[in-house]
Amino acid sequence: QQQVKQSPQSLIVQKGGISIINCAYENTAFDYFPWYQQFPGKGPALLIAIRPDVSEKKEGRFTISFNKSAKQFSLHIMDSQPGDSATYFCAASLLLTRQLTFGSGTQLTVLP
Amino acid sequence: DSGVTQTPKHLITATGQRVTLRCSPRSGDLSVYWYQQSLDQGLQFLIQYYNGEERAKGNILERFSAQQFPDLHSELNLSSLELGDSALYFCASSVGQGEYNEQFFGPGTRLTVL
Repeated sequence: QQQVKQSPQSLIVQKGGISIINCAYENTAFDYFPWYQQFPGKGPALLIAIRPDVSEKKEGRFTISFNKSAKQFSLHIMDSQPGDSATYFCAASLLLTRQLTFGSGTQLTVLP
Repeated sequence: DSGVTQTPKHLITATGQRVTLRCSPRSGDLSVYWYQQSLDQGLQFLIQYYNGEERAKGNILERFSAQQFPDLHSELNLSSLELGDSALYFCASSVGQGEYNEQFFGPGTRLTVL
């Protein structure tokens, strides 16, 4: 019930295209859904996050869409750039502890 | 740079040995989290400390232990090491707990058990 499922495992997009990564969760007690970006040799860094009372959040080229009834959320990267090439992790956390349950990750490659 | 520091960056040791990983949180952050990243298990939460007290435990083995000291730095102790313990170990810190505050991750310690 703590699991967060992420897809696809890998994604190749042309420069300027839209990258879409999807996640689904089971535990309805999760109340915070961040996305992390990780470059090789670095720790994960918060990209954008959403609470379940909001259906969409946009920050620059990054948008989270959240569907509470379906228990799904997704990351959209508009106008994808080669510099966006990294591994993206969705995550979910509980109010009490804030420990993060991560998805399995998506390796994004943006071709120039 | 997240402001979270971890030492050492790399650690190579043998099976059966014991190692200590160190984490210094960002200035002002009271919560410290430890995560393990491996190819087969992904990123998994191990344990959380808040202002010196253990607050949550995840998939942490009994051979592993941690503590947070009065100056808020934290140490993760791994003992009786096995080949399968080889992984990246990340420390993250946040201001508090029970709030929507961001966790900042350190650069990690890469542990190799031979």
